[in-house]
Order: sequence, then C-alpha cells, then structure tokens
Amino acid sequence: RKEVEQDPGPFNVPEGATVAFNCTYSNSASQSFFWYRQDCRKEPKLLMSVYSSGNEDGRFTAQLNRASQYISLLIRDSKLSDSATYLCVVNMLSSNTGKLIFGQGTTLQVKP
Amino acid sequence: DGGITQSPKYLFRKEGQNVTLSCEQNLNHDAMYWYRQDPGQGLRLIYYSQIVNDFQKGDIAEGYSVSREKKESFPLTVTSAQKNPTAFYLCASSISEYGKLFFGSGTQLSVL
Repeated sequence: RKEVEQDPGPFNVPEGATVAFNCTYSNSASQSFFWYRQDCRKEPKLLMSVYSSGNEDGRFTAQLNRASQYISLLIRDSKLSDSATYLCVVNMLSSNTGKLIFGQGTTLQVKP
Repeated sequence: DGGITQSPKYLFRKEGQNVTLSCEQNLNHDAMYWYRQDPGQGLRLIYYSQIVNDFQKGDIAEGYSVSREKKESFPLTVTSAQKNPTAFYLCASSISEYGKLFFGSGTQLSVL
C-alpha cells in the first residue's frame, strides 16, 4: 500500500460544479497535512494547510478525518482556472527518508 | 523579492556525462530539498538538507549527489550512474523540516 494515495482522475466537471477529492494516508501518527496545486510543467504551490477542525479559504474547504486516515478538498463553484493537478502532502513523522510524502496528484479539468 | 531560483530551465545530458542543477534561495530557510517528478507521478525525494554541511538521502538518491556549503545554495549533480535521468527536477526550501515548502520553477532534464 502506498503511504499516500490519491485517485489520479481526471475529474471532468462543468463550470460552477462542486467537486471533492480525497487522499488517504497510511501512518496514523502523521501530524500535518497540506494541499498543493500544480499546473502543467510548473512548480507546485501551496493551496492550503489542513487543520484538525477543518478550514475554509474562499471556495476551498479542507477537512481531516483521523479515524479513517484521509483528508479531503472540496471546491465549490468551479472556475476554468481551477483546472490543475492537486497534490496531497502528508508529514510522515516515522519516515527516515524525508518528512513530507506526496501523493501522485488528482487532475481536475473544468469545462465551459 | 525573496524566492527560490532554479537553473537552467531545460538541460540536456549526453551519455556518460555528469550534469549539475543549480538551486539558490534568499528566503533564509534552513531546510532544502530536491525532488524528482516523472509524468503522471507524484514527487519523489532525492536528497534533503536541514543545515549547512549536512544532508541526507531521500528515497531515490542513487545516481545523484548534492552539497550544502552555503545556506543559500543546494546544487544537485546527476551522475552518469543515474541510468534514467529524464525527469522534471524540483528544488524546494522550508523554514524547518516540517514546514510548508516553497518550490523553484523546476528543471526539465532530458537525455540526448
């Protein structure tokens, strides 16, 4: 089992739709979680951190479910500009090869 | 403006050649990282450094070498021992090893 798993998609949605991605992680001791956005052949950029109580930033909502070991990202009122790959990142404290583990990413395509 | 700079943007390697990718940051960050990204895959950690003159292997260090002689600089050498070097290479930095990552714009390395 991969340490961090994401559905690669692509998720094809119309403008204005609500879409949600999940990301599962294997290490129950993981302490911090992030969502990054990556455009094609560009560097990833931090979208938002994920806090235990859940957090919202405009149209984006991130949630953490420690019992089931997954985090989620909800995008409301999708825009064409939201088309990108969304990377889930988990801080695996038990890892001895670096602390942050990336999922393979979920691709979102928003259509007119 | 503070940031992290990678160069070159594109690099071509001949058979048996070593090539060096540059990464410079003026964010005063302690930790620096090198990741490799292959098409459709997440980022994999090559090497990371938490402090000057110290660095650790990541998950895929074979065929690569690094140095950290200055806080600002973390160059990556892709040696001839790396048999499949074609990939997108990303350098990142963070305030601490658990912190949020700031990425450079990446280097696309291809084999001639």
